[in-house]
Parts: sequence; C-alpha cells; structure tokens
Amino acid sequence: AQSVTQLGSHVSVSEGALVLLRCNYSSSVPPYLFWYVQYPNQGLQLLLKYTSAATLVKGINGFEAEFKKSETSFHLTKPSAHMSDAAEYFCAVSATNQGAQKLVFGQGTRLTINP
Amino acid sequence: DSGVTQTPKHLITATGQRVTLRCSPRSGDLSVYWYQQSLDQGLQFLIQYYNGEERAKGNILERFSAQQFPDLHSELNLSSLELGDSALYFCASSTTSLNEQFFGPGTRLTVL
Repeated sequence: AQSVTQLGSHVSVSEGALVLLRCNYSSSVPPYLFWYVQYPNQGLQLLLKYTSAATLVKGINGFEAEFKKSETSFHLTKPSAHMSDAAEYFCAVSATNQGAQKLVFGQGTRLTINP
Repeated sequence: DSGVTQTPKHLITATGQRVTLRCSPRSGDLSVYWYQQSLDQGLQFLIQYYNGEERAKGNILERFSAQQFPDLHSELNLSSLELGDSALYFCASSTTSLNEQFFGPGTRLTVL
C-alpha cells in the first residue's frame, strides 16, 4: 500500500529565504507523486507532479521538487519565499490499479512566511 | 479556477439528516473522485467513478453513497449524519484515471 509522510506540520521561513517542505513516500510500485497547495478557504491546486520522467520537476509559482528513489523522498523547494506562498501544502502519492486511481495524501505542512 | 464546480458551498444540518452534495467535473473529464478533509483524519479518498461506473472505493462509510450520471456530474449522498461527519468534501476530476486530478472548491458540511 502506498503512503506519504510529511515531516513538519508547520514550517516558518522569512520572506526571501529558501523554502523546503519534506515528503517521504512508501510505494510497492513506481510511484506517481504530486504536490498540491491549499490556500485558506479554497480547494487544492496542483503545484507539480512526478510521473517517472525527469527526476527534477518544475512546477508553478517557482516551486520544484526532486524525486530521489534511494531516499524515497520528494521534497518541495523554492529558492526565495514570497508572502503569497503562505498556505498549506500536501504531498500525495497515486495508487493506481487497473484504471482505478486514488490519491493518498500526507497530513499537510502549513507554511508561514515572516516579513 | 480548476473548472470543477461543487454545490452547495456550505451546508448546515442536524444529526440524523440526509444531504446531497453535487459536483460537475471539468469539461471532457470522465473520472470523478470524492475526498473528505477533516482536522483529525486529514484528506481521505472516498470513492472514484469513471464514465458512470464505480472504479475505486476508499474509506467510505456505508451511510455514504455516490453516483455519476450520464452527463458525468456526480452526487455524494450522506445519510444518518453524525457530528463527526462535519468536514470539507472535495470533488476532483481527471481526463482518465492516470492523469492528475483537478479539485473543486469544496462543500463545507456542518452537522449540529
């Protein structure tokens, strides 16, 4: 069974600093991995996805993530934080079986940006 | 705007009641998914439909049921509601079962 662990339920960084949100996955098959962002009172928006092509994946809003099979990790980074990045971030792994798909989400990391 | 619409946005009801949540997927998307987001359980997959047929089931209670209609919209029915059913319910859609999912804005259900 697939699972995801997000390390750190809250992360706080200063504006302009590096953002690093950690995600480790467990999967018995090559995984599809996703990062979603949820702004207050909104739905989830896809930031980026890994589907076994390039290990370094670039997403929207300057975010990127690197798939490391040896470490079973898919950490999300952004070189310079902006106030508008404050939100909750979810890592997810796709469990696909014969056309059936579900996303298994981590518990989420709330990112706070300090001015 | 993801293109996925959900109604109503908010729903307040009493224990023991039944409610129906509605979802319209993005144009052309055949798969619809339902998720529940609560403080204690996080984001949990409930059920997936593909072109009208149930494809996958998650931790969905027997009091909950869903269906996808010929026009591809979907409804999630929640009955005999309990306080613990209070949560955000998200619908998502994708073109096929292998593509990324696009989420709607959610329906916030409050059971009093």
